[in-house]
Amino acid sequence: GAVVSQHPSRVICKSGTSVKIECRSLDFQATTMFWYRQFPKQSLMLMATSNEGSKATYEQGVEKDKFLINHASLTLSTLTVTSAHPEDSSFYICSAALILGPESTDTQYFGPGTRLTVL
Amino acid sequence: AQKITQTQPGMFVQEKEAVTLDCTYDTSDPSYGLFWYKQPSSGEMIFLIYQGSYDQQNATEGRYSLNFQKARKSANLVISASQLGDSAMYFCAMREEGGGTSYGKLTFGQGTILTVHP
Repeated sequence: GAVVSQHPSRVICKSGTSVKIECRSLDFQATTMFWYRQFPKQSLMLMATSNEGSKATYEQGVEKDKFLINHASLTLSTLTVTSAHPEDSSFYICSAALILGPESTDTQYFGPGTRLTVL
Repeated sequence: AQKITQTQPGMFVQEKEAVTLDCTYDTSDPSYGLFWYKQPSSGEMIFLIYQGSYDQQNATEGRYSLNFQKARKSANLVISASQLGDSAMYFCAMREEGGGTSYGKLTFGQGTILTVHP
């Protein structure tokens, strides 16, 4: 299957700093990327949908000014957690959509995730 | 609104036996896709199997099969001949079908932790 990378895999930062997480589709062009957040032993919660060249669509309850998303190219999307606080500590996972048309099958590929710890 | 329910927080199975992980869904969309993903302790999400709402036959991928009962809105995952490496969290997910460049987002169930005993 297609490969999606995330960088960094782990990050520890001090409260009040900003952290940038990169999501790259390595061998395909992704017009849409998704950002999820996952707390331990819980499900993935969609934070936002990122379309190349346009503004991200945020899910209800997700602060757009806190979680800045940029999708500058068909292979790269970034999530910046601004002024991070301990409650932002979580596992952040991106996925990239390979568009083959409606009702295509396994066309959303996930990155390996980034574990953020805010002290 | 979509909803995915996995009622089994944890399941145990003996190595080499089969196990069924339950998933029910609720949607008003006539066209949708159902997915199962495996998440080992490393955190990566591994795609296992897909079932389209209009597919007549149940999907199969190696040791994985999806028992799709549309009228009951269930999409249970069956893993045959369990292996120790199957121990992981398993998520059922549903996707709204978007056309063209509008790709539908996934909604995930709560997950089931599967433990395979030797």
